[in-house]
Amino acid sequence: EDQVTQSPEALRLQEGESSSLNCSYTVSGLRGLFWYRQDPGKGPEFLFTLYSAGEEKEKERLKATLTKKESFLHITAPKPEDSATYLCAVQALQGGSEKLVFGKGTKLTVNP
Amino acid sequence: EADIYQTPRYLVIGTGKKITLECSQTMGHDKMYWYQQDPGMELHLIHYSYGVNSTEKGDLSSESTVSRIRTEHFPLTLESARPSHTSQYLCASRLAGSGEQFFGPGTRLTVL
Repeated sequence: EDQVTQSPEALRLQEGESSSLNCSYTVSGLRGLFWYRQDPGKGPEFLFTLYSAGEEKEKERLKATLTKKESFLHITAPKPEDSATYLCAVQALQGGSEKLVFGKGTKLTVNP
Repeated sequence: EADIYQTPRYLVIGTGKKITLECSQTMGHDKMYWYQQDPGMELHLIHYSYGVNSTEKGDLSSESTVSRIRTEHFPLTLESARPSHTSQYLCASRLAGSGEQFFGPGTRLTVL
């Protein structure tokens, strides 16, 4: 069964204190791994797609990396506006699979 | 920026009422999805559609139904709401051939 586990569940950082969020996955062939940001009471906002081990994507203070078993979301010098829940999801490489399997997310709080 | 809309944003109703949650997208995406999300929990797929006149059930058992008569519109209906239906409902869409799904703002449903 496809599974996604995110850690830690919650993370508190001081502004400027860099850190990483982890997404471990078990999937029967990876079609894609997705990172989303979700603010309270809103829908997830798409951040990155990663397709193969070794791939990296960057956007402002965020950088996502992928290995064969996990992905990391690195946050460099975070600001209070980076506070949100970060979701990881995988899509399996099964013929015609429409399913994204989501983790529970990491709730990030950045204090000024 | 994704153009996907959901109405209403918040709904409080009594048990036994019939409700329809609306979802529309202006991006011409053929694939659309409905997810259910409880606080601090994963998103669970409840329905999806490949295109007009195509609908499928997702992994999470749901008493709701969907229809897809127009490409841009994917409403979800509950014939008789119950307190167990209290949750956040998220609509998403994507273009065939790309993996990332784009989400609407969600409808928070409370059934008393």
